[in-house]
Amino acid sequence: AQSVSQHNHHVILSEAASLELGCNYSYGGTVNLFWYVQYPGQHLQLLLKYFSGDPLVKGIKGFEAEFIKSKFSFNLRKPSVQWSDTAEYFCAVNAVQGAQKLVFGQGTRLTINP
Amino acid sequence: GAGVSQTPSNKVTEKGKYVELRCDPISGHTALYWYRQSLGQGPEFLIYFQGTGAADDSGLPNDRFFAVRPEGSVSTLKIQRTERGDSAVYLCASSLMGAGGPTDTQYFGPGTRLTVL
Repeated sequence: AQSVSQHNHHVILSEAASLELGCNYSYGGTVNLFWYVQYPGQHLQLLLKYFSGDPLVKGIKGFEAEFIKSKFSFNLRKPSVQWSDTAEYFCAVNAVQGAQKLVFGQGTRLTINP
Repeated sequence: GAGVSQTPSNKVTEKGKYVELRCDPISGHTALYWYRQSLGQGPEFLIYFQGTGAADDSGLPNDRFFAVRPEGSVSTLKIQRTERGDSAVYLCASSLMGAGGPTDTQYFGPGTRLTVL
């Protein structure tokens, strides 16, 4: 069975700091990888996704993530965070073959202090 | 265009009662998913519809949970004999084809917060 682990439960940063949120997955086959974001009071939105090709994926709002297959990792990065990035971030995977359900990590709450 | 909508936004019920939660997917999306999100956790998969049929119901926790999508659009999640442990946010998502390709993104609704007293 697939599983996703997000290492940081709550991250607190100041504006302009650099961000990296960890995500590791467990699955024996080929996967698609996603980062979703949930801003306060809003629903889940897709931040970026990896299906194939260049392992460095760029998403909205200056976010990027790098797929490292050998490490089963898909870490999310942003060079300079803003107060508006305060949100909950979820890493998710689904199998390329078979079930299309998303398996989510438990989420990382990001707080940016102005 | 309109996104995924869910009604009601909040539902409070008593233990043992029956509830129905509704999901309106994005028009034209053939794939529909239900997830459940407990406090402090990520969403957990419940069931996936491709058209009118349940293609994968492996996430339904027990036989008190049932979902339908009779015309391939709106879906209803039904919970019988609710228990306090059913309290959670129930999320619905839809995607264009459910084929898992690069353009097949799951779009989420705002969720229904279910509280069982």
